[in-house]
Amino acid sequence: EAGVTQSPTHLIKTRGQQATLRCSPISGHTSVYWYQQALGLGLQFLLWYDEGEERNRGNFPPRFSGRQFPNYSSELNVNALELEDSALYLCASSLDRGANQPQHFGDGTRLSIL
Amino acid sequence: GDSVTQMEGPVTLSEEAFLTINCTYTATGYPSLFWYVQYPGEGLQLLLKATKADDKGSNKGFEATYRKETTSFHLEKGSVQVSDSAVYFCTLKIFNDYKLSFGAGTTVTVRA
Repeated sequence: EAGVTQSPTHLIKTRGQQATLRCSPISGHTSVYWYQQALGLGLQFLLWYDEGEERNRGNFPPRFSGRQFPNYSSELNVNALELEDSALYLCASSLDRGANQPQHFGDGTRLSIL
Repeated sequence: GDSVTQMEGPVTLSEEAFLTINCTYTATGYPSLFWYVQYPGEGLQLLLKATKADDKGSNKGFEATYRKETTSFHLEKGSVQVSDSAVYFCTLKIFNDYKLSFGAGTTVTVRA
């Protein structure tokens, strides 16, 4: 079974630009989660999509947004990039929102802002 | 709020040494508990899980027991290998909640 796949692996942008990160969940998984892993800040929850709808978001500004497509894949968009957006962005998927369902992670997209 | 506290690293061990990483949690509901591992340059992998009190999760020689009375989920391995060098995250998820709450991570380095 294919795992969670993310693209691109690395992304280099400059301040003020926009970035789009993509995620394909494990087949059959309907929930997709986005996390940011920034140096010194640990893993922070960003966004949760389930059945095509944004269900909740973490404490991030509105320039972080995304969507989930009918095939359950997802995009994360970051507008007006700032230096502190440099981080590893991890996508995870789960079978549903149940408490006992673990989240399975991709290898991440490393976003570097110059 | 819900949170996880795990021992700070880095931890450096010799091969075949015993590893313990302490983890305690605070939760308003009844959490499921997980240990995730992140190898250099990779994403997170689920190492083991426990969904109710007294459950023991185990995988790849690692074990952790869900202790409700001490709100702990300590990770142990009896004999580590160089390939166990990684960052380990203690994690909780509340029933019907949507996100994982991570500890700060503990970096483990095993030397040959």
